[in-house]
Amino acid sequence: EDQVTQSPEALRLQEGESSSLNCSYTVSGLRGLFWYRQDPGKGPEFLFTLYSAGEEKEKERLKATLTKKESFLHITAPKPEDSATYLCAVPGYNQGGKLIFGQGTELSVKP
Amino acid sequence: NAGVTQTPKFRVLKTGQSMTLLCAQDMNHEYMYWYRQDPGMGLRLIHYSVGEGTTAKGEVPDGYNVSRLKKQNFLLGLESAAPSQTSVYFCASSYPGEAEGPTDTQYFGPGTRLTVL
Repeated sequence: EDQVTQSPEALRLQEGESSSLNCSYTVSGLRGLFWYRQDPGKGPEFLFTLYSAGEEKEKERLKATLTKKESFLHITAPKPEDSATYLCAVPGYNQGGKLIFGQGTELSVKP
Repeated sequence: NAGVTQTPKFRVLKTGQSMTLLCAQDMNHEYMYWYRQDPGMGLRLIHYSVGEGTTAKGEVPDGYNVSRLKKQNFLLGLESAAPSQTSVYFCASSYPGEAEGPTDTQYFGPGTRLTVL
């Protein structure tokens, strides 16, 4: 069964304290892995798409990487405005390519 | 360019009432989706559409109906609301990539928070 698991569920950091969020996936024939950011009361906002193992993408303090089994979202020197829930998703092989989402990691960055 | 918009933003219904949620996108996307988001359950696909006049069931379609009469609009209907349908509903749209199926980047609306009493 296609599955996406994110860890940790919640992460509290001090401003400037770098860390990583994990997204593990089980799917036959990966056709992309998507990272989204979701602020409270808002819809998910697209961050990155990764298509092949070894690929990396960066945006400001965020860098996403992909291996054959998992993806990491590295946050370097985070600021309070980086606080949000981060979601990852993959197209499900047995579900017509529709996205399967993980439960998300709630990131809180304190000044 | 508004992206994906949803109407209404909030709604409270009584059990058994009906309502329609409206999603509109101005990005000329072919594919549109309706998700619900519940604590501890993540985002789950209700129905989706791969083009005007087409609809298909997602992971949790029971109790919902949809219509895609115009390319830019995707409507989600609740014929007889139940407390289990209390949730936040998100609409999304995407333009298909080269891979088979709707695997391209999905862009989300701001959500509709629905409470069924």
